[in-house]
Amino acid sequence: NAGVTQTPKFRVLKTGQSMTLLCAQDMNHEYMYWYRQDPGMGLRLIHYSVGEGTTAKGEVPDGYNVSRLKKQNFLLGLESAAPSQTSVYFCASRIVTGNSPLHFGNGTRLTVT
Amino acid sequence: AQKVTQAQTEISVVEKEDVTLDCVYETRDTTYYLFWYKQPPSGELVFLIRRNSFDEQNEISGRYSWNFQKSTSSFNFTITASQVVDSAVYFCALSAYGGSQGNLIFGKGTKLSVKP
Repeated sequence: NAGVTQTPKFRVLKTGQSMTLLCAQDMNHEYMYWYRQDPGMGLRLIHYSVGEGTTAKGEVPDGYNVSRLKKQNFLLGLESAAPSQTSVYFCASRIVTGNSPLHFGNGTRLTVT
Repeated sequence: AQKVTQAQTEISVVEKEDVTLDCVYETRDTTYYLFWYKQPPSGELVFLIRRNSFDEQNEISGRYSWNFQKSTSSFNFTITASQVVDSAVYFCALSAYGGSQGNLIFGKGTKLSVKP
């Protein structure tokens, strides 16, 4: 049982390049989230999804797009990377019932030069 | 608006000392949940505890204890007899019933360093 798996673990991009971060969960969770973590800022929500085929904006959605074509996968895309998107990205998932805790992946460290 | 404030940015203690991490929250909702997560130097986020707004009982789990006080909107975390392995960044988080589908609002974290 892998839980929440993020790929890749590390990535370096040049300004203007694009990439997709993949999050996969094997717990049959309905809800999935993408956060970014910056020094001194805690974790901030980028986008989230409450089920297959649905997505919604979080606190800091600009510059990112997401897709949830399959229940187990939640993709985060950067169409034109900027240095301000240098961050650690965390994916999380949870079940629908109540306010169950989020299960986090191990993070993706992205550097944009 | 919902907000979580962890006023202590960094705390340094010597092993075996007790340490309390403060968390103050703001929400207008009457139903909400509070969480603590631990992020060790390896970087993963580890769930520690969840509390709902209707349960003000303090909780103890081994060396960890949590003090929830609605009157002061606080949910403080105490580590008794700290150990080097407790060194980590600790995040307090809030999820209100009316929030975006269970999204957690995180504080900025408190970095705890426990020295031998």
